[in-house]
Amino acid sequence: ETGVTQTPRHLVMGMTNKKSLKCEQHLGHNAMYWYKQSAKKPLELMFVYSLEERVENNSVPSRFSPECPNSSHLFLHLHTLQPEDSALYLCASSHEDYNEQFFGPGTRLTVL
Amino acid sequence: GIQVEQSPPDLILQEGANSTLRCNFSDSVNNLQWFHQNPWGQLINLFYIPSGTKQNGRLSATTVATERYSLLYISSSQTTDSGVYFCAVVSSGGSYIPTFGRGTSLIVHP
Repeated sequence: ETGVTQTPRHLVMGMTNKKSLKCEQHLGHNAMYWYKQSAKKPLELMFVYSLEERVENNSVPSRFSPECPNSSHLFLHLHTLQPEDSALYLCASSHEDYNEQFFGPGTRLTVL
Repeated sequence: GIQVEQSPPDLILQEGANSTLRCNFSDSVNNLQWFHQNPWGQLINLFYIPSGTKQNGRLSATTVATERYSLLYISSSQTTDSGVYFCAVVSSGGSYIPTFGRGTSLIVHP
């Protein structure tokens, strides 16, 4: 248990569905991150939020839409995904001043 | 931005063997972390080690910041050590966002 939780842990969706991934941190951190990890590939940084403002967006397609309503919660809204979006989606958090990162368990997404 | 290289990319060991994983980085860093990603995908924090040496059981790590590298030592390896080991650094001159290496994939056979 790292203090970062993610739901759901597994998700299967069709290309026309809309779903959301949720991340919650209980560590008092002020920065939160979404990463994508495809099979046998390194981590890809998708989005970074600091104090609820988006500070990084690594050319992610618009079918991925992040939301950070407060410093403890982070969402990733998914719509009209493609099969190549199937991957492990990892959430992490850290504090800007002491930037040790902690990860959630991930959501394994399959797009049919 | 800062470059992070990990070696070797793949490592296969027999249970009980020792190993050394390396992380080289191209610039000065404020932060360096080692993670273990288990077969279920969870990234587990091993060490937060911007400089110096730390030990935790069979694992230890050393970062020589002036020479821009860090080493992770695994002694008496066990099958549960299998997985991918990532190094992540935060550049001194940049933002607080970590840069990850591509990882070392370790398989420990019984």
